[in-house]
Amino acid sequence: QVQLKESGPGLVQPSQTLSLTCTVSGLSLTSNSVSWIRQPPGKGLEWMGVIWSNGGTDYNSAIKSRLSISRDTSKSQVFLKMNSLQTEDTAMYFCARIGHTTGGFDYWGQGVMVTVSS
Amino acid sequence: DVVMTQTPVSLPVSLGGQASISCRSSQSLVHSNGNTYLHWYLQKPGQSPQLLIYRVSNRFSGVPDRFSGSGSGTDFTLKISRVEPEDLGDYYCLQSTHFPPTFGGGTKLELK
Repeated sequence: QVQLKESGPGLVQPSQTLSLTCTVSGLSLTSNSVSWIRQPPGKGLEWMGVIWSNGGTDYNSAIKSRLSISRDTSKSQVFLKMNSLQTEDTAMYFCARIGHTTGGFDYWGQGVMVTVSS
Repeated sequence: DVVMTQTPVSLPVSLGGQASISCRSSQSLVHSNGNTYLHWYLQKPGQSPQLLIYRVSNRFSGVPDRFSGSGSGTDFTLKISRVEPEDLGDYYCLQSTHFPPTFGGGTKLELK
């Protein structure tokens, strides 16, 4: 079955770089696209970016200058790196697959909480 | 970016009752391929969002038929009949017709 799982540090200092990993199983990254989505505490969902099945990427223009998404298909892992973190980047970070049939995010990871604080 | 406006923000319901959530987009969600990429999610407390309805009216795998979606163009509705305790939580609509994908602000379904 399709599964995604995020991992990474729970605490990051302001101005530092966040590095997260999404490890997938039950699917191949060469035929599936994966997005990162975040949710500040008590707030709504914000799409951050996507790595397409062909390896291309697209980003939310609001954070594009700070964000990079990459992958290692042999390890079934997708990576998120975001620099210059501020307190407003404190959020739950999710990775999610884009479904071929649905066209939406059909499988999600459990999420990883990231707090930006000194 | 396409703005997705969900109403109401909070929706008190009785168990066994019916709930209706509206989602309006700032522009038509009909894709050039003819499909409409409007989806509905439920996020239970402490969990990740789960897909309920995709492309306006299609129930995702395992979703009970108490959930139904309808609408077209810019106006969409999620209906929940015979509300059960496990239906409580935050509901979000998502459009993925236009780049970037954007979510509605959410509707909290809670007990009256």
